[in-house]
Amino acid sequence: AQSVTQPDIHITVSEGASLELRCNYSYGATPYLFWYVQSPGQGLQLLLKYFSGDTLVQGIKGFEAEFKRSQSSFNLRKPSVHWSDAAEYFCAVGARQLTFGSGTQLTVLP
Amino acid sequence: DVKVTQSSRYLVKRTGEKVFLECVQDMDHENMFWYRQDPGLGLRLIYFSYDVKMKEKGDIPEGYSVSREKKERFSLILESASTNQTSMYLCASSPNLGLAYEQYFGPGTRLTVT
Repeated sequence: AQSVTQPDIHITVSEGASLELRCNYSYGATPYLFWYVQSPGQGLQLLLKYFSGDTLVQGIKGFEAEFKRSQSSFNLRKPSVHWSDAAEYFCAVGARQLTFGSGTQLTVLP
Repeated sequence: DVKVTQSSRYLVKRTGEKVFLECVQDMDHENMFWYRQDPGLGLRLIYFSYDVKMKEKGDIPEGYSVSREKKERFSLILESASTNQTSMYLCASSPNLGLAYEQYFGPGTRLTVT
């Protein structure tokens, strides 16, 4: 069975600081991995995805993620956080059917 | 741009009522999904459909049913709403392209059952 763990329920960073959100997965074959962002009261928007190839994936809004097979991880990073990045972030694994983590709520301090 | 629309952003219903949540996508996607989202639990899959008139149970189908009479429309039905079905409901769709499928989400329906 596939599963996703996001160990951090809530993270607070200052504007301009770097960010790393953790994601660990369990999947029986080659994983297809996704990061989504949800702003308050909105649906989910895709930030980036990993299907194959280069293990460092670039996404929208300056985000990137690195796939590490040996650690079963797909951590999301951003070098400098903006106040507008405050949102909830979800990691997901799967192909036709996705399994989502429980989410990490990001607060950005001015 | 892919657009997934949901019939209501907010809905308040009484216990025992029959509730219909509608979802429409405009990109001719084969796959459609219904999730519920609760704090600390992430998104949990209720039902999904890979084709018209086809449906499959997800992880938490109890108390729900679905209907897909047309490719673009996927309805979630609460036969007799209960207070524990108060939640945010998200619809998503995805195309059949290769082995992995990016899902596109609607804005969600926040349902309150009193």
